[in-house]
Amino acid sequence: GQNIDQPTEMTATEGAIVQINCTYQTSGFNGLFWYQQHAGEAPTFLSYNVLDGLEEKGRFSSFLSRSKGYSYLLLKELQMKDSASYLCAVRPNRGSTLGRLYFGRGTQLTVWP
Amino acid sequence: NAGVTQTPKFRVLKTGQSMTLLCAQDMNHEYMYWYRQDPGMGLRLIHYSVGEGTTAKGEVPDGYNVSRLKKQNFLLGLESAAPSQTSVYFCASRPNTGELFFGEGSRLTVL
Repeated sequence: GQNIDQPTEMTATEGAIVQINCTYQTSGFNGLFWYQQHAGEAPTFLSYNVLDGLEEKGRFSSFLSRSKGYSYLLLKELQMKDSASYLCAVRPNRGSTLGRLYFGRGTQLTVWP
Repeated sequence: NAGVTQTPKFRVLKTGQSMTLLCAQDMNHEYMYWYRQDPGMGLRLIHYSVGEGTTAKGEVPDGYNVSRLKKQNFLLGLESAAPSQTSVYFCASRPNTGELFFGEGSRLTVL
């Protein structure tokens, strides 16, 4: 089966840095995604990692270690609008699960002034 | 460019009633998905399609049926709604490689 774990909740202060971790156990690996979801809205794409290392995109960075089954999303210079749920999702290898994306339960981040 | 459009956005059903949720995408994507999202449960895959005329079961398919007669449309049907199907339903699509694009969601309440 597929197992994706991330913390349920996190809090941080405006202007700070926060790291949201995600660990996964899947039948093969073909990419890891991070999505942001504000309350009452659809998830929106943040980042994609398929090779080990850090991908930086403005205030957001995402890291992947395939050997450890581990990723994190790093948010810098936090703003109030960053309060949202952050979803980690993994795409397994090709085969019977071709095309599927498995999501973690999401991490609810609250940014305080 | 509308992206992924879901209809209806809101619906209230009585137990035993049937309904169909429509998802339409104008990005010529091959892959389409139906997820449900419940508090504390994250996004769970109901059914998906890897191309026109194909469908496959996801993690929680029971009580739902789907059809992909046209590439741009993916329909999710509830034949006999149950209170356990009260949820927010998200449709998504993606190209052969790349990320998922989500619709705005359909909020369904079954009384």
